[in-house]
Amino acid sequence: RKEVEQDPGPFNVPEGATVAFNCTYSNSASQSFFWYRQDCRKEPKLLMSVYSSGNEDGRFTAQLNRASQYISLLIRDSKLSDSATYLCVVNRGVVAGGYNKLIFGAGTRLAVHP
Amino acid sequence: ETGVTQTPRHLVMGMTNKKSLKCEQHLGHNAMYWYKQSAKKPLELMFVYSLEERVENNSVPSRFSPECPNSSHLFLHLHTLQPEDSALYLCASSQVPDSYGYTFGSGTRLTVV
Repeated sequence: RKEVEQDPGPFNVPEGATVAFNCTYSNSASQSFFWYRQDCRKEPKLLMSVYSSGNEDGRFTAQLNRASQYISLLIRDSKLSDSATYLCVVNRGVVAGGYNKLIFGAGTRLAVHP
Repeated sequence: ETGVTQTPRHLVMGMTNKKSLKCEQHLGHNAMYWYKQSAKKPLELMFVYSLEERVENNSVPSRFSPECPNSSHLFLHLHTLQPEDSALYLCASSQVPDSYGYTFGSGTRLTVV
């Protein structure tokens, strides 16, 4: 079983739709969580951190459920520019070697059409 | 220059060539990483340098050789590569032990012919 699992998609949605992505992680000791966005043939970029209480940034809402080891990302009022791959990322914490080890999911692809 | 810069952006090399990828971070971070991303596959961690020491080598073939001369610079030396090594090579940096995530460079798209 992968440490971070995501539905690969693609999710094809019309502009203005609300879409939700889910992610599960297996290591209960994971310490912090992120969503990254990766555009086609570009580098991943941090979209938002995910906090236990849930957090919102404009049209984007992230939720964390530690008991179920589950993370979600909700995008409201989808725009064409939201088309990208969304990576769920789990911080395993400081490992031997003294760095924070991030585990990346394989990503969920979103395609927003007119 | 800001963030993490990688050069070259694109590289085509023959299987007998030797080339190097360069990464420079301007964020004052103390850890740097090399990742490989093949088409439609997830990121694969290759090497980690923390405080200028190599602390992780994920069973990467010896035809890939990293070098970290200081906390701001990271190189990946390539020799006798195979066509299956064609991929996007991404450099990233972070500040240990903070947990604010990694900042990635824009990558080098490598094609081995």
